[in-house]
Amino acid sequence: AQSVAQPEDQVNVAEGNPLTVKCTYSVSGNPYLFWYVQYPNRGLQFLLKYITGDNLVKGSYGFEAEFNKSQTSFHLKKPSALVSDSALYFCAVRGSYGQNFVFGPGTRLSVLP
Amino acid sequence: DAEITQSPRHKITETGRQVTLACHQTWNHNNMFWYRQDLGHGLRLIHYSYGVQDTNKGEVSDGYSVSRSNTEDLPLTLESAASSQTSVYFCASSDRRSSYNEQFFGPGTRLTVL
Repeated sequence: AQSVAQPEDQVNVAEGNPLTVKCTYSVSGNPYLFWYVQYPNRGLQFLLKYITGDNLVKGSYGFEAEFNKSQTSFHLKKPSALVSDSALYFCAVRGSYGQNFVFGPGTRLSVLP
Repeated sequence: DAEITQSPRHKITETGRQVTLACHQTWNHNNMFWYRQDLGHGLRLIHYSYGVQDTNKGEVSDGYSVSRSNTEDLPLTLESAASSQTSVYFCASSDRRSSYNEQFFGPGTRLTVL
């Protein structure tokens, strides 16, 4: 069965500091990994995805994520956080056997000025 | 611009009533999905469709139904609303041409069942 864990409910970081939002997964076959962001009263917006190739993928708004196969992780990162990055972040996985997406429970990121 | 819309955005209903939530997309996507979002659970899949006349049950399908009569619409029906179905509901769509395409989400419908 597929599963996604986001071990931190809440991440607080000061503006200008680097941020990391953690994600680990379990899936059959090769993983297709995604990050989404949700702002208040809005739907989810796609940030980036890993399908194959380079383990470091770059996405929207300066975010990037690093795929680590041995640790089954796909952590979201940004070198310098902005207050406007404060939102709810979801990691999702889909296996290469055509399974549906499975979403993690979400991590609330607060960037403090 | 292509988009995915949901209506109503907010709905209050009573226990036992039938409720239908609308989802309309102009991406011309074959795949459409309904999720519910609850605190601590993230998004859970209710039903999904891979094309016209195709519907499938997701993880939490009990008490819900969908029908797909055209490419653009996937309405979600709560047969007899229960307080446990108070939630935020999101519709999403994706292109069928690749199994690793991202999903595009609507703005959500906040449903309260009293």
